[in-house]
Amino acid sequence: GENVEQHPSTLSVQEGDSAVIKCTYSDSASNYFPWYKQELGKGPQLIIDIRSNVGEKKDQRIAVTLNKTAKHFSLHITETQPEDSAVYFCAARRNQGGKLIFGQGTELSVKP
Amino acid sequence: GAGVSQSPSNKVTEKGKDVELRCDPISGHTALYWYRQSLGQGLEFLIYFQGNSAPDKSGLPSDRFSAERTGGSVSTLTIQRTQQEDSAVYLCASSPQGTGTEAFFGQGTRLTVV
Repeated sequence: GENVEQHPSTLSVQEGDSAVIKCTYSDSASNYFPWYKQELGKGPQLIIDIRSNVGEKKDQRIAVTLNKTAKHFSLHITETQPEDSAVYFCAARRNQGGKLIFGQGTELSVKP
Repeated sequence: GAGVSQSPSNKVTEKGKDVELRCDPISGHTALYWYRQSLGQGLEFLIYFQGNSAPDKSGLPSDRFSAERTGGSVSTLTIQRTQQEDSAVYLCASSPQGTGTEAFFGQGTRLTVV
């Protein structure tokens, strides 16, 4: 069945450093890949997404890269700030619709 | 505009009781999802509704769990004969359509079975 693996489960960085979170997916028909940020006590919020027709997308300090051949995608956060501390989830879905399959989450801690 | 609204925000119930959790999606969104998040864990897919199509129920963990969506809008997740392992945050999300568009999440309902 469909599966998304996410690593690492926890990540601690110093303020100003970069953070990278990686995901792999099993369903080759997946072609929509969102990333969500979840703060304590809140629902997940979309921070960036990518579709399979592009290999990279950037939005200020956040970027996502996609390698469809290898079936993996990554989130890159540059110049991290304490407010980036949260749990981040990757997900994958077939573009024809259907359920979003989530990774297990990465708890990012940015130390001032 | 209003986001996805879930009620109640917290629910404590006794083992063996039935509970109903409600989700009001964003107006006009045709797709609706339910997920379960246990403490410190990821998001476990439960069920997906898309327009008038038959729902994808492949994630429901047992026949004690069911969900319906009336009039293509409000959805109710029902858990019968609750067990302690059902304790979790239940998250609802909606999106404008099922294909490649952002899913917006509600704040969740924290269910505690005692």
